[in-house]
Amino acid sequence: DAKTTQPNSMESNEEEPVHLPCNHSTISGTDYIHWYRQLPSQGPEYVIHGLTSNVNNRMASLAIAEDRKSSTLILHRATLRDAAVYYCILKGSWGKFQFGAGTQVVVTP
Amino acid sequence: DTEVTQTPKHLVMGMTNKKSLKCEQHMGHRAMYWYKQKAKKPPELMFVYSYEKLSINESVPSRFSPECPNSSLLNLHLHALQPEDSALYLCASSQARPADEAFFGQGTRLTVV
Repeated sequence: DAKTTQPNSMESNEEEPVHLPCNHSTISGTDYIHWYRQLPSQGPEYVIHGLTSNVNNRMASLAIAEDRKSSTLILHRATLRDAAVYYCILKGSWGKFQFGAGTQVVVTP
Repeated sequence: DTEVTQTPKHLVMGMTNKKSLKCEQHMGHRAMYWYKQKAKKPPELMFVYSYEKLSINESVPSRFSPECPNSSLLNLHLHALQPEDSALYLCASSQARPADEAFFGQGTRLTVV
């Protein structure tokens, strides 16, 4: 199974950008890179996903390395509401959708 | 409607009880998932249903029995659980394609006494 590796935690000041890295060196050609976040006492929430090209949406941007072995989630201006655990997940055609350890993002006012 | 609804929100059960968790979605999704999440840990995949058929069982003990009666509904039947089974149980759904995002419910907080 393709696995992901993320730092345990990252800190940011409010209104500063946050760059969350994810390594997925065993990614296969058909795996999509998904990012979810989980706020305390809530279910995970979709953030963004991509295959090869960089992606932007209202929540974040996703930068994917050319060899696809790593990606970076970018929160452009962190707010206190962005404090959560962020998960990088590979979703493939085999149906598994497995979470890695995730990164705890701490936002300081 | 982009919601995945899980009931009940909280459940306390004895080790000899039989109970069921329910998950419902009306987005036409054909893949549905059960996860177990312990405190301060990531969700662990338990089961995957694809087109109402069980496609993945992550070696889950038989005291957990999933059921998918139709494309909108997913149940998890619980019997003879242990205290260590106490956790947050999350349900998710998506289209059965890698490009499609998953939607998660808010979970059922289960306590086994």
